[in-house]
Order: sequence, then C-alpha cells, then structure tokens
Amino acid sequence: DSGVTQTPKHLITATGQRVTLRCSPRSGDLSVYWYQQSLDQGLQFLIQYYNGEERAKGNILERFSAQQFPDLHSELNLSSLELGDSALYFCASSVGGGRQSSGNTIYFGEGSWLTVV
Amino acid sequence: QKEVEQDPGPLSVPEGAIVSLNCTYSNSAFQYFMWYRQYSRKGPELLMYTYSSGNKEDGRFTAQVDKSSKYISLFIRDSQPSDSATYLCAMSAPGTNAGKSTFGDGTTLTVKP
Repeated sequence: DSGVTQTPKHLITATGQRVTLRCSPRSGDLSVYWYQQSLDQGLQFLIQYYNGEERAKGNILERFSAQQFPDLHSELNLSSLELGDSALYFCASSVGGGRQSSGNTIYFGEGSWLTVV
Repeated sequence: QKEVEQDPGPLSVPEGAIVSLNCTYSNSAFQYFMWYRQYSRKGPELLMYTYSSGNKEDGRFTAQVDKSSKYISLFIRDSQPSDSATYLCAMSAPGTNAGKSTFGDGTTLTVKP
C-alpha cells in the first residue's frame, strides 16, 4: 500500500458527462501528480500541484482541470467526456515538488478506472 | 517517433531465468533513469533509480545505463513468479520536474513456476 488513496476505483459514464476523481496524498507529501494511462498512449503526465499551487503541466486537455485543496487532497475534473477519455487515471504524491532526485520518490495510488460509453 | 521506446513484449520465462528488459531513448539530455514495476490493477512503484551512466544493483535487480548508446536495461536474476508484472522505464533531464518523467509503454513479464 503506497499510502495514496484514490476514489472512485471504477466509474462508468456516458459521453458528454462530467466526472470528478479524488486523491488523498501520503501523509506529509505536498505534491500531487495526475497521470493518464491508456493502451495506446502509455502513462502520460497531466498536471502537478505543490502545496495548493499548480507546479507543472503536461498533456492535459482543456476539458480537464484539477485543483489541490488546503488539506492537500486533490481533485481531477473531466468534462465533456469522449470515448477516448476511457483510461486509468493515477494520482501520485511526493514530499518535494521540484527537480528529480533520489530523495523525491513518487508514490502512485491504485488508480481510477474510467469507462466512457 | 517516441522519445522513449521500450521492448513491447510480452515476455514469458521459466522460474529461475535471467530476464533482460530494455529501453532506448533519443533525448541526450536525459540523466535520470528509473524502472517502475506495475502489478495488474495497481499503480506503478519505483524499483530502481539511476543517475547518469553505470550500473546499480539491488538484490536480484541490476539497472544498467549506457548513455553513449542511449540504452538502458533492467536485469532480473533468479526470476520468481512474484516478478510477473509490467515493467516501465522512465527518464528525465536535469531541471525537469520529478513528475514529468517520460515513460516507456511497458513490457509485460510472466514468470512461470
């Protein structure tokens, strides 16, 4: 158990709908990262928040948004859903928020399976 | 062409075999190299972390980086059924945010008892 908690574990929704994925980072971790993993795209970095502020952005669509709250939990909002958004969405957390180092290990949650029908 | 290419597999080996997992990359700025293990229906977990070139050993696992060839490998000795998982390589350049590593697509390994 990595200590990163994600809900819901599974979600089925229709095209055009909006969903919210929730993540609680490990105790003491200030950074939260969101990733999308699909069969054809692999693991793609979406966005990172550090202590409530956006720190880095990756291949996140404009239909997607995220935020990190004062208690450090984070939510990823996916709107106007399309069939191609079906994927496994991972949240990860780390203590630091900066550059790569051996001390800045990223811990992944178990993911939220999203199926858009 | 992707920045990181990983042997797609799948790979099936008998218990006790030596396994070699490989990735090639095109970005010469990459200095940090990681291997993640992902069990079915679980999130990736960091297995090995290497900075720059050379070898790093941790128990049955050895990570090798050859920057001149832009090639990295993960060797698993005395493979066990519990090693059955998908292995992802990941890498990043200095100054890059830790979370923005570029991942390979993964190689699925099955170790048969």
